[in-house]
Amino acid sequence: AQKITQTQPGMFVQEKEAVTLDCTYDTSDQSYGLFWYKQPSSGEMIFLIYQGSYDEQNATEGRYSLNFQKARKSANLVISASQLGDSAMYFCAMREYIRNSGNTPLVFGKGTRLSVIA
Amino acid sequence: DGGITQSPKYLFRKEGQNVTLSCEQNLNHDAMYWYRQDPGQGLRLIYYSQIVNDFQKGDIAEGYSVSREKKESFPLTVTSAQKNPTAFYLCASSHGQRATNEKLFFGSGTQLSVL
Repeated sequence: AQKITQTQPGMFVQEKEAVTLDCTYDTSDQSYGLFWYKQPSSGEMIFLIYQGSYDEQNATEGRYSLNFQKARKSANLVISASQLGDSAMYFCAMREYIRNSGNTPLVFGKGTRLSVIA
Repeated sequence: DGGITQSPKYLFRKEGQNVTLSCEQNLNHDAMYWYRQDPGQGLRLIYYSQIVNDFQKGDIAEGYSVSREKKESFPLTVTSAQKNPTAFYLCASSHGQRATNEKLFFGSGTQLSVL
């Protein structure tokens, strides 16, 4: 089974509008962390935002916020006031803490390609 | 500036040839990782290392080998046993894996193509 599911292969958003990129995850562990990365056409991966499973408040970093719904196992990325430079691939990722084993490496979803239209 | 350097940016492999992708970091990170990226597949873990002289297989280790003789370096060899090596390869590092909030820092990637 997929650990991270991103159901939107591609999304379009008008400049200055907000957009939500979906991410659902699968884990039976109580302790885990969720990450979002941005990959522009240059190929580098840029860290955007992190949410811990025990964090009670949704994470925010500037124009990025994470809509964390633990019971639904979803961690959607919200980008407010979209800019042309936001056009990129966006990846959701998870690290789990497994008892007696420790933290796992990051597992990534397949990504969503966001295109911002002027 | 601290960071991760991957070289070369583009690499071509002939049939039956082994090729080595370089990854160097000056962030003093303990953990290093190799991911493979195919179109529409996201990133898949090949190998990772949490400490010098130790490494673990990821989800798609077959046809690849690594070494970690120095903290700063984690080269990846794509062997002739890897039948479909054409992909974008990303190297990453982190302080470690002791906390769930340890983020990865990535290099700029190497595009490997088969001639």
